[in-house]
Amino acid sequence: AQRVTQPEKLLSVFKGAPVELKCNYSYSGSPELFWYVQYSRQRLQLLLRHISRESIKGFTADLNKGETSFHLKKPFAQEEDSAMYYCALKEGGGQNFVFGPGTRLSVLP
Amino acid sequence: NAGVMQNPRHLVRRRGQEARLRCSPMKGHSHVYWYRQLPEEGLKFMVYLQKENIIDESGMPKERFSAEFPKEGPSILRIQQVVRGDSAAYFCASSQGPQETQYFGPGTRLLVL
Repeated sequence: AQRVTQPEKLLSVFKGAPVELKCNYSYSGSPELFWYVQYSRQRLQLLLRHISRESIKGFTADLNKGETSFHLKKPFAQEEDSAMYYCALKEGGGQNFVFGPGTRLSVLP
Repeated sequence: NAGVMQNPRHLVRRRGQEARLRCSPMKGHSHVYWYRQLPEEGLKFMVYLQKENIIDESGMPKERFSAEFPKEGPSILRIQQVVRGDSAAYFCASSQGPQETQYFGPGTRLLVL
């Protein structure tokens, strides 16, 4: 069965510091990996997906199949990055997401 | 485009009552997905529907839960005879097609007393 883990429930960093939100998955096939973000009082929205290989709001994530990880990184955190971040997996060709429990990022001034 | 709409945003029910949660997809979207989020957990897939069809209900509890997406009107997630364990946030998402980006609604927070 697919599974997504995010080991940190809460991550606090200072503004300008690098940030890495960890995500590990277990899936035997070829998954698609995503990061979703939920800012305070807003709905869940897609941040980035691994197949796009793009940088959104300064965030990047690389799929490491050997380590089954998809960590989200940003070199210099901003206060407006404070939010809940969810890592999600979708079976290749499938429609259903498996979400991790989420990590709350708090960027301190 | 107002995005995915869900109502009510908050719903309180007593044990044994029925809960009806509505989801109006984004304009032009015919694929709807329902997810449940229990406290301290991630979203868990429940059911995937296209207009008038249930495509995948592998995440739906076997009893008391049902979903529909009629030709006209919103998608409905129905929970009969609610129990305290049904208290959760229920999210709906919609997409243009099965492989397209899913856009999420604001969720309905169900509290069972």
